[in-house]
Amino acid sequence: GAVVSQHPSWVICKSGTSVKIECRSLDFQATTMFWYRQFPKQSLMLMATSNEGSKATYEQGVEKDKFLINHASLTLSTLTVTSAHPEDSSFYICSASDQGRDWRGYTFGSGTRLTVV
Amino acid sequence: ELKVEQNPLFLSMQEGKNYTIYCNYSTTSDRLYWYRQDPGKSLESLFVLLSNGAVKQEGRLMASLDTKARLSTLHITAAVHDLSATYFCAVDDSYGGSQGNLIFGKGTKLSVKP
Repeated sequence: GAVVSQHPSWVICKSGTSVKIECRSLDFQATTMFWYRQFPKQSLMLMATSNEGSKATYEQGVEKDKFLINHASLTLSTLTVTSAHPEDSSFYICSASDQGRDWRGYTFGSGTRLTVV
Repeated sequence: ELKVEQNPLFLSMQEGKNYTIYCNYSTTSDRLYWYRQDPGKSLESLFVLLSNGAVKQEGRLMASLDTKARLSTLHITAAVHDLSATYFCAVDDSYGGSQGNLIFGKGTKLSVKP
């Protein structure tokens, strides 16, 4: 089945630094990938939709200059949290779907737990 | 704006009992998903429901979709401890086939006790 690989699984960084999270579709091409954020004991909230070869679409309230998304190939999307602050600490999850097969829904990456100290 | 309401948010069950989790959504959609999340982990896909009247079963879990009522249910039969997790329903906010974004319910934290 469709596999989405996400790295790193966890990262601790200092306030003011930047962190890059990678999301790869391993056995299919993904023209669109989605980035979600999940705070403890809460549901997932969509942050942005990553489109291959074009600008990402951000949800209301998400700062595009803070959360930089790059989707340079059909198998890779990256999310960079710039000038991270403790309030950015969260669980970040990407997802994608394999449009080439019978519709089987969305596959999620394993998530990245970001802690900003 | 599509809204997804899930209930109950917390569910404590005894092993061997049956229960149902409900997922209501506010606007037309023909794609609904159920996911399981274990603590500290990402989402595991359980069911993909694509049409009115769809019913799918996997082990002790059965999911159904009524698009006219905008309601999906996740039924748990003879619960076992291993089913303890948080269950999310999610609705695709596109309609008619185009790929859209998922709107998640708040999740149901299920605890199955001996």
